[in-house]
Amino acid sequence: DAGVIQSPRHEVTEMGQEVTLRCKPISGHNSLFWYRQTMMRGLELLIYFNNNVPIDDSGMPEDRFSAKMPNASFSTLKIQPSEPRDSAVYFCAIHGTSTDTQYFGPGTRLTVL
Amino acid sequence: QKEVEQDPGPLSVPEGAIVSLNCTYSNSAFQYFMWYRQYSRKGPELLMYTYSSGNKEDGRFTAQVDKSSKYISLFIRDSQPSDSATYLCAMSVSGGYNKLIFGAGTRLAVHP
Repeated sequence: DAGVIQSPRHEVTEMGQEVTLRCKPISGHNSLFWYRQTMMRGLELLIYFNNNVPIDDSGMPEDRFSAKMPNASFSTLKIQPSEPRDSAVYFCAIHGTSTDTQYFGPGTRLTVL
Repeated sequence: QKEVEQDPGPLSVPEGAIVSLNCTYSNSAFQYFMWYRQYSRKGPELLMYTYSSGNKEDGRFTAQVDKSSKYISLFIRDSQPSDSATYLCAMSVSGGYNKLIFGAGTRLAVHP
């Protein structure tokens, strides 16, 4: 979990509500990744940014999902409107500086009722 | 067929056993191979990282990559109860700046 703060850690909401998940690398990183983890589908990449620009959003399930990275220190993932099938753990990850791989945050556990 | 196949287990072993975890893959372009460990209700934690083929050792952990067979392994020697976690393999064509493809994860339980 080193290097990435995610908020909130837990979110319970009702179907149809807007949900915003936040990711804050402790030091600025130009490459940032949003993943979703479920029992059925495992860990899936939703979208990633290089130099704050979205590079690949092919994993975003629907137009209800959107993500932004306004600067190297902050990113949001928004779901509007939310649905029960969006219930999952959402992870933010950053590109490592010492190894050419990715480091994950603690995740946000989302439950949509 | 998934790009990366990993037996989800669960795998249960006694303390002190040697554990072998494996993944197979179909994309011959993968060059970067990682193993992550994930404790319950935590984020994945990078455990081992290997570029291309060969072996890499770090303490009780050894990662092996056989690109000719499209097969990677993680060995844990002298397993401890604290090793109980889910182990995920991950692969990439061009390193950590780009997308990682994950296996389903193998749940490991080491009992005293």
